[in-house]
Order: sequence, then C-alpha cells, then structure tokens
Amino acid sequence: QLQLQESGPGLVKPSETLSLTCTVSGGSISTTDYYWGWIRQPPGRGLEWIANINYGRITFHNPSLKSRVTISVDTSKNQISLRLKSVTAADTAMYYCATPSGNDAFDIWGQGTVVTVSS
Amino acid sequence: EIVLTQFPGTLSLSPGERATLSCRASQSVDRNYLAWYQQKPGQAPRLLISGASNRAPGIPDRFSGSGSGSDFTLTISRLEPEDFAVYYCQQYGSSPPTYTFGQGTKLEIK
Repeated sequence: QLQLQESGPGLVKPSETLSLTCTVSGGSISTTDYYWGWIRQPPGRGLEWIANINYGRITFHNPSLKSRVTISVDTSKNQISLRLKSVTAADTAMYYCATPSGNDAFDIWGQGTVVTVSS
Repeated sequence: EIVLTQFPGTLSLSPGERATLSCRASQSVDRNYLAWYQQKPGQAPRLLISGASNRAPGIPDRFSGSGSGSDFTLTISRLEPEDFAVYYCQQYGSSPPTYTFGQGTKLEIK
C-alpha cells in the first residue's frame, strides 16, 4: 500500500526558496504510472493545488503559482520534490503530497508538513 | 479557470439527520470529474467520492454523490458523530490538467 511522507524545513525566511520532499513507500515511482502532486492549505483556509509530475517528468502547474514553482522526481530515492521561490507570508501553509491514482481525484495523501514564512 | 462555490458555508445538524451539501461550478465540469473530500482537524483530507458519484474504497454507503454539469451534491443519509467535519469539492480539468477546490462546508453538531 502506497504511503507518502513529506519533510521540510518548518521555517523559511521571506524572499527565500522553500524546498520540500515527499518520500514514497510501498511502491516505486518509476514503475507506478501515477502522477504525484503537491497541495497546500493555509491556516484555517481551504485547499490549493500546486503542481503534479509523473516519473516521465511530465509536469502540470497551477497557473497562479507556475512562475515560482519547480517540481521534480528522484527515482533513485523514490522522492518527489517541490521548490517554491520568493516566498512571502502568504505561502505559510500545511503542504501535502498526494497522488491522484485515477488522475481526477487525490486518493492517497501524506500527513503534511507545516511551513511558516517568517523572518 | 473554473471556480467552485460550496454552500452552505456552515451546516448545523444533529446525529441521525440527513445532510445535503452543494457545490456549484462557474462552468460545466469536464466529464463530471467532481470529487468530494472530508477533512477532520489535524488530518489530511480523505477522498469520499470521485466522478461525481463513485464512492472511494472503504467509504460507508451513507455517503452519496450526485449531479452533473455545474451542480453537484454530497448527501450523508444519516449522520454519525464521526461525520462532523469540513467537506471540500474539487474538479479536474483535463486540458491542461488542473485541479480546483471549493472553499469548503463545515458540518457541525447542532
């Protein structure tokens, strides 16, 4: 059974780049024909999709974040990474790794990792 | 970009009652790719329904989804204490692939 585990720095300074990692267990990114995605949720607010990627490195982005986002996969480590540059306080959120195994809905989620943007 | 509007914002009901949550899209949802999630405090969202009406594995049959085009409904036939949570709808647009969430409906105990 696939499991996702996010990790990250917890605290990032304004204008810096946020880097997060999602480690996949219970399956291999390179042999699973899934997309892997990132979704975030600011405190007390709703969900926002950020981007998806597959093992072939085909990517899709939320247009509102695309200019600041890099999503990548490392098949040797079975990990998906997210980089968000030029962060502000508005990027403070819980960041979830999730996969839409059927493409249209996210059926497997990690527990999330909290990111706070503050000096 | 499709905007999803959920209503009501908050729904106050008692255990055993029927809950009806609505999700309206600003334009027709591609092939009824509309999903519903449940989120409890401190937890990740859990997929309940995909494709407007298909229950995810392990989801009790008191949860049902319906609708098409731009109007969708999640119905919980008889509320259990563990059903009180926030519910989100989400649409998938395939060209190019994008995902949009509604703002959520909080289902609280009356």
